Amino acid sequence: RKEVEQDPGPFNVPEGATVAFNCTYSNSASQSFFWYRQDCRKEPKLLMSVYSSGNEDGRFTAQLNRASQYISLLIRDSKLSDSATYLCVVTSGATNKLIFGTGTLLAVQP
Amino acid sequence: NAGVMQNPRHLVRRRGQEARLRCSPMKGHSHVYWYRQLPEEGLKFMVYLQKENIIDESGMPKERFSAEFPKEGPSILRIQQVVRGDSAAYFCASSPQGSLDYEQYFGPGTRLTVT
Repeated sequence: RKEVEQDPGPFNVPEGATVAFNCTYSNSASQSFFWYRQDCRKEPKLLMSVYSSGNEDGRFTAQLNRASQYISLLIRDSKLSDSATYLCVVTSGATNKLIFGTGTLLAVQP
Repeated sequence: NAGVMQNPRHLVRRRGQEARLRCSPMKGHSHVYWYRQLPEEGLKFMVYLQKENIIDESGMPKERFSAEFPKEGPSILRIQQVVRGDSAAYFCASSPQGSLDYEQYFGPGTRLTVT
């Protein structure tokens, strides 16, 4: 079983749509959780950290459920520029190494 | 403040040759992580280094791969006797500390192609 699992997509949505991504992780000892964004052939960039209390940054809302080992990302009012691969990431061990899911591809259509 | 720099950006090697990938962390960062992204796969942790020390190499293949981060100069990921399966994007990331409180900043990656 993969440590971090995501639906690979692709998610094809029209501009303005709301889209939700889900992710599960297997290591209950994981301590930090993130969503990264990766554009084609570019480096991953931190989108937001994820907390149990939930956090929001503009059109983006992230949520963590430790009991279910489940992480979500909600994007409201999708823009063409949101088209990218969204990576669910958890940390592992004392060294803070990042464990990445394989990513979910989002394509926002005009 | 320059970001994380990696060079070369693209590297082509024939099977059996050596590949050297360089990573210069952000100014003030003394912790470097290397990750590999195989085609159509997610990023996988390889190794975590501090200056002159390998802290965690649990993701490194047992043979042909080595990494260093000398007191002066960039971190180097070295792949000896490359094979086609080594073709991938190699990203390094740096942080000021290795703890959970510090974000890792990624470089643009080196795309290795083995012919």
